[in-house]
Amino acid sequence: GAVVSQHPSRVICKSGTSVKIECRSLDFQATTMFWYRQFPKKSLMLMATSNEGSKATYEQGVEKDKFLINHASLTLSTLTVTSAHPEDSSFYICSALTSGRKETQYFGPGTRLLVL
Amino acid sequence: GNSVTQMEGPVTLSEEAFLTINCTYTATGYPSLFWYVQYPGEGLQLLLKATKADDKGSNKGFEATYRKETTSFHLEKGSVQVSDSAVYFCALSGGGGSNYKLTFGKGTLLTVNP
Repeated sequence: GAVVSQHPSRVICKSGTSVKIECRSLDFQATTMFWYRQFPKKSLMLMATSNEGSKATYEQGVEKDKFLINHASLTLSTLTVTSAHPEDSSFYICSALTSGRKETQYFGPGTRLLVL
Repeated sequence: GNSVTQMEGPVTLSEEAFLTINCTYTATGYPSLFWYVQYPGEGLQLLLKATKADDKGSNKGFEATYRKETTSFHLEKGSVQVSDSAVYFCALSGGGGSNYKLTFGKGTLLTVNP
C-alpha cells in the first residue's frame, strides 16, 4: 500500500514556542491531505483538510491561526502549532488521499507532541 | 450529520477465540465503510473496506459485511492472535457528507492473551 511519513515522530517543546510537523506521501502524489488530533483513549478528531496550492479548510472549533497548515507540494503538508501550550499536547496524525477512481486515505504514523 | 457508533471496550480474549466488534452508522445516501487498526504507538492502518451494500471487506482473516438494512458493519475474526491486540476504529465517508472526509467511531481496544 501507499506510504505516508511524518516527522518528527515525537517532540517536546517549551510553552510559547512553535512546532512544525511534516507529513509526506512517499510513493504517490496527494492533492489532499488531512490533519487529525487524537486525545488519549479517544477517537480521531479531524482538524483540517489541506489542499495543495490553496488554503486549508478548518473544522469548526479549530483555530486556524493556532494551527497553521501549508500544502506547498503534491507530497508535503506541514502543520505548525504556534505558541504552543500544554493543552496542545496530543497525538497528531496526518493522512493523504490517493487520487483516481478508488480514493483511499493512507495515514502517517503520528507525531506525539508534549508541551511543557 | 454522519456518525459512527462502535461497541465500547476494552475487549479481552484468549488466543484463538472468535472476535466480533459491533459497528453501526448513521448517514444519508450510500457511505463507504472502513475498519482501521492502530497498533500501540503507531498511526492508523486501513484494515478493510466496503463501498456498497452487501459488499464484504476482508483482510488478514478479518471480515466485515456492509449491511444497509441494519446500517451495520460489524468486524469479525474466527481465531484471534496475540498480534491482533490493537485499537480498532470503524469509520465512514460520503453518505451525505464529503466523499473522502472520514467520520470515526471512538475505537475499541482489543487485548488478546496467550
